Amino acid sequence: NAGVTQTPKFQVLKTGQSMTLQCAQDMNHNSMYWYRQDPGMGLRLIYYSASEGTTDKGEVPNGYNVSRLNKREFSLRLESAAPSQTSVYFCASSDFRGTRQPQHFGDGTRLSIL
Amino acid sequence: AQSVSQHNHHVILSEAASLELGCNYSYGGTVNLFWYVQYPGQHLQLLLKYFSGDPLVKGIKGFEAEFIKSKFSFNLRKPSVQWSDTAEYFCAVTIYGGSQGNLIFGKGTKLSVKP
Repeated sequence: NAGVTQTPKFQVLKTGQSMTLQCAQDMNHNSMYWYRQDPGMGLRLIYYSASEGTTDKGEVPNGYNVSRLNKREFSLRLESAAPSQTSVYFCASSDFRGTRQPQHFGDGTRLSIL
Repeated sequence: AQSVSQHNHHVILSEAASLELGCNYSYGGTVNLFWYVQYPGQHLQLLLKYFSGDPLVKGIKGFEAEFIKSKFSFNLRKPSVQWSDTAEYFCAVTIYGGSQGNLIFGKGTKLSVKP
């Protein structure tokens, strides 16, 4: 009963390095999301994938790219990390975007950019 | 743009005190409303949700929320808090129509309960 699984849980990068955050869900959900959480800012949507094969920008997409690899997996890539991207990143999934189905969240990835 | 406002950034209560956390949203159409809780170091979990019908909804762990359409509000309440309720609470909405459909979160209210 894993739900939404994110890897890694923690990561420290140097400015300019790249990395990919992985997310997988086993609930057969159609929609997947990436958020960042910063103190006093709540959760802000970076990118989402309403269904397999589609991705769209959210509120704060700059500096990120995503790939919806298949129905289960949705990865987030930082091509050239910047200190402003230090944050906790959450992946979530739901049955369908914009419906009454709540989103289910992973445990998060705590990312520090030095 | 649609938004969700949570009026209290940090609330400090003693055990057994009553809790009410405010949430207002800015949208005149149909919305779905959610409260999520995040315990320290953990991911967000759904507390309760409202779609239609009885505007007073009950969630897990003794929480409830009341939807008041005329006030665009969805306040969270608990009659008697416990130390274990220490967490951050997020109000969120989804909106039908157009390109909207994603969760819009408030900035969160941190609740600290003193034993």
